[in-house]
Amino acid sequence: KAGVTQTPRYLIKTRGQQVTLSCSPISGHRSVSWYQQTPGQGLQFLFEYFSETQRNKGNFPGRFSGRQFSNSRSEMNVSTLELGDSALYLCASSAGTSGSTDTQYFGPGTRLTVL
Amino acid sequence: QQPVQSPQAVILREGEDAVINCSSSKALYSVHWYRQKHGEAPVFLMILLKGGEQKGHDKISASFNEKKQQSSLYLTASQLSYSGTYFCGTEGEDSNYQLIWGAGTKLIIKP
Repeated sequence: KAGVTQTPRYLIKTRGQQVTLSCSPISGHRSVSWYQQTPGQGLQFLFEYFSETQRNKGNFPGRFSGRQFSNSRSEMNVSTLELGDSALYLCASSAGTSGSTDTQYFGPGTRLTVL
Repeated sequence: QQPVQSPQAVILREGEDAVINCSSSKALYSVHWYRQKHGEAPVFLMILLKGGEQKGHDKISASFNEKKQQSSLYLTASQLSYSGTYFCGTEGEDSNYQLIWGAGTKLIIKP
């Protein structure tokens, strides 16, 4: 099976711009979670989608949004970028069908730099 | 409510053992362990569920003490390939498909 793919791998933006990141989960997986990773902060949960519905959301401002399509591919959007948004954004896919959190398979991430 | 991982970093010689701890202030349903090498994505190691047994494969094992709300990851006879940052992700009994992650433990193995 092909792994989780994320595009683009690297992005450089300026403050005030917006950005869209894409994640294609493992075939058959219906859950996609998004994380922000910064040095020293570990993985911060953004949101999780399952069958096109957001099931959970972390404590991030409304500038961070996402969606999931019928083929389980997911996009994350950040509007009005701030310097502090510079980070590695990881998505993880899982089957999502059990009653709790399944094994998550991470993509390689998108490195976002805001200048 | 972020779980606390200890130690923050550890340096070992090849062949030595290591223990990484993950403690939560909340009642836990499961604990997930991942390893991330520099510049790579986190890779799944194992999940421990409430009421489940200690798990392990190869020379890496883990335990989950539900009463103390903590988990420990044991690396025996460490190999150079064990180097990386280890993260625990915790799922509370009241969580909803959300893992709360520790800040990570950086493990450096020297030959």
